[in-house]
Amino acid sequence: AQKITQTQPGMFVQEKEAVTLDCTYDTSDPSYGLFWYKQPSSGEMIFLIYQGSYDQQNATEGRYSLNFQKARKSANLVISASQLGDSAMYFCAMRGRFSGGGADGLTFGKGTHLIIQP
Amino acid sequence: DVKVTQSSRYLVKRTGEKVFLECVQDMDHENMFWYRQDPGLGLRLIYFSYDVKMKEKGDIPEGYSVSREKKERFSLILESASTNQTSMYLCASSLAGTGAIEQYFGPGTRLTVT
Repeated sequence: AQKITQTQPGMFVQEKEAVTLDCTYDTSDPSYGLFWYKQPSSGEMIFLIYQGSYDQQNATEGRYSLNFQKARKSANLVISASQLGDSAMYFCAMRGRFSGGGADGLTFGKGTHLIIQP
Repeated sequence: DVKVTQSSRYLVKRTGEKVFLECVQDMDHENMFWYRQDPGLGLRLIYFSYDVKMKEKGDIPEGYSVSREKKERFSLILESASTNQTSMYLCASSLAGTGAIEQYFGPGTRLTVT
């Protein structure tokens, strides 16, 4: 069965510093994908970045990058030059466990609450 | 602009009531999903649908059912609400396919069962 582990329930970081949010996963499926979502206090879920298991390069999207280490089964999110607006819950998620008819339900980790301090 | 709407932001129901949570998307997406979010547990998949009248169980389907009679609408039904179903319920939709297929989420419905 798939499992996502986020070991940092909360983090405090100074503004402008880089942040690494940890995510490890467990799956026996050779084909899988990993997502990161951001959930601000307003509640909406915002897609940040995706990494496929067969992708040769680490995904990047603006200030977000994914440090994908397949052998260690980790997919850490790196936020460069953090901003006050980055304060939010961050969820790592995996596709592949719940599939049917071209749909892929996600398995989520418990999340990390990131607070950026001025 | 992509939009997923949910019928209520807040809902209070009594134990034993039948509860309907409605979700509508305007993006012509094939797939729709229902998750519940609880503090310290993250999001857990309840049910999903890949076509009209088609449904698949997720991680925690017990106590819930779903209905998809039209492509744009996906309903979550609590047949007999119980206090342990007090939670935030999030609906999502996506295009068909695998890979980097983003799910678009609605604003959520915070359900309290008393």
